[in-house]
Amino acid sequence: DVKVTQSSRYLVKRTGEKVFLECVQDMDHENMFWYRQDPGLGLRLIYFSYDVKMKEKGDIPEGYSVSREKKERFSLILESASTNQTSMYLCASSLMGAVTQYFGPGTRLTVL
Amino acid sequence: AQSVTQLDSQVPVFEEAPVELRCNYSSSVSVYLFWYVQYPNQGLQLLLKYLSGSTLVKGINGFEAEFNKSQTSFHLRKPSVHISDTAEYFCAVSDGGTSYGKLTFGQGTILTVHP
Repeated sequence: DVKVTQSSRYLVKRTGEKVFLECVQDMDHENMFWYRQDPGLGLRLIYFSYDVKMKEKGDIPEGYSVSREKKERFSLILESASTNQTSMYLCASSLMGAVTQYFGPGTRLTVL
Repeated sequence: AQSVTQLDSQVPVFEEAPVELRCNYSSSVSVYLFWYVQYPNQGLQLLLKYLSGSTLVKGINGFEAEFNKSQTSFHLRKPSVHISDTAEYFCAVSDGGTSYGKLTFGQGTILTVHP
């Protein structure tokens, strides 16, 4: 079974803090994705990566950056957290050439 | 550009009743279509997917969906729901045009099954 894990289920941070969300997958997938989920808006793609050190912007990249130094790990970085970044963050992975994504359990981030 | 519209934000039903969750999409190219389910405080789990072939797709937990190209729809159905089906359901589309398989999601439908 594919397993995607996220470092925290719940996180509370203060405005202006630098925040790291970590995602690890154990199936040697080339593609990894970060989404945020908000009520009534569904999931929106923030960034994705198709290889180590490669990244592309998704639909809502403003205020976020990412890092992929190893194939299995994809980090989402909030350089200076703001209250409008309070949300559920979901990580996903997939094989190159495949369209099915596998999701982690999510991190619910609250920025005060 | 692709888009997905889930026509109902909330669907309340009684246990053992049938249910249909509606999804319409727009895309200028061939599409792959998905339904994911999210149980409370969990990540997304794939219910079913349409890639090609038969337009009636069967998934897990007794769900099925029908791809209708002329109506650009991919509605999800179950003939008899259980309390445990209470969850949020997301329809998604991928153009598959690149090897990255990016997904565009609908807004979600909260299914609540009452005893």
